[in-house]
Amino acid sequence: EAQVTQNPRYLITVTGKKLTVTCSQNMNHEYMSWYRQDPGLGLRQIYYSMNVEVTDKGDVPEGYKVSRKEKRNFPLILESPSPNQTSLYFCASSKTGRSSYNSPLHFGNGTRLTVT
Amino acid sequence: GQNIDQPTEMTATEGAIVQINCTYQTSGFNGLFWYQQHAGEAPTFLSYNVLDGLEEKGRFSSFLSRSKGYSYLLLKELQMKDSASYLCAVREGTGGFKTIFGAGTRLFVKA
Repeated sequence: EAQVTQNPRYLITVTGKKLTVTCSQNMNHEYMSWYRQDPGLGLRQIYYSMNVEVTDKGDVPEGYKVSRKEKRNFPLILESPSPNQTSLYFCASSKTGRSSYNSPLHFGNGTRLTVT
Repeated sequence: GQNIDQPTEMTATEGAIVQINCTYQTSGFNGLFWYQQHAGEAPTFLSYNVLDGLEEKGRFSSFLSRSKGYSYLLLKELQMKDSASYLCAVREGTGGFKTIFGAGTRLFVKA
């Protein structure tokens, strides 16, 4: 089954304790992206990757890191989480290229992070 | 600047028709998507428009006017299960393949 898998689904942590949210897709998609979703603000892009070893900042990258060592995986790293990073996080992937502008994003099931 | 606007909430009655509007101003344009998101779940793809006009897909239709920066999602024969948030999103024209989302419209379907 084609899917994007995120782990964990729920995470409660304390300020400053490094954490990683994993994301894996089995559709051979070049494009992967991380979003955070907050009430009234919608989905905001944190980082994206056009392909292996190619990553770039989205609209709200501060406090986050990513890596793309393999095509299928795109982990999100919070080196020193703070309470303002409490949010619902989604990983997404899609095909890319000029012939793929109509390719929708496929989303993982989300990770609800609470930082106390 | 980049901006996508849609109403925050709408309420409609089971069996009725509802239209959710979206206006956008973005850096370039490579199509507009509508996604459905039930509470606590991932968004799922509904429709894509890149040319002006109406695209129909069962009970759901989506319309685009590029010159006006305007789209709407039309839901017919509303069912209780259509209660969800509907997200308008634009794929920009820059090389980054970026998709910008509106804040979403929460639709409540009442009996």
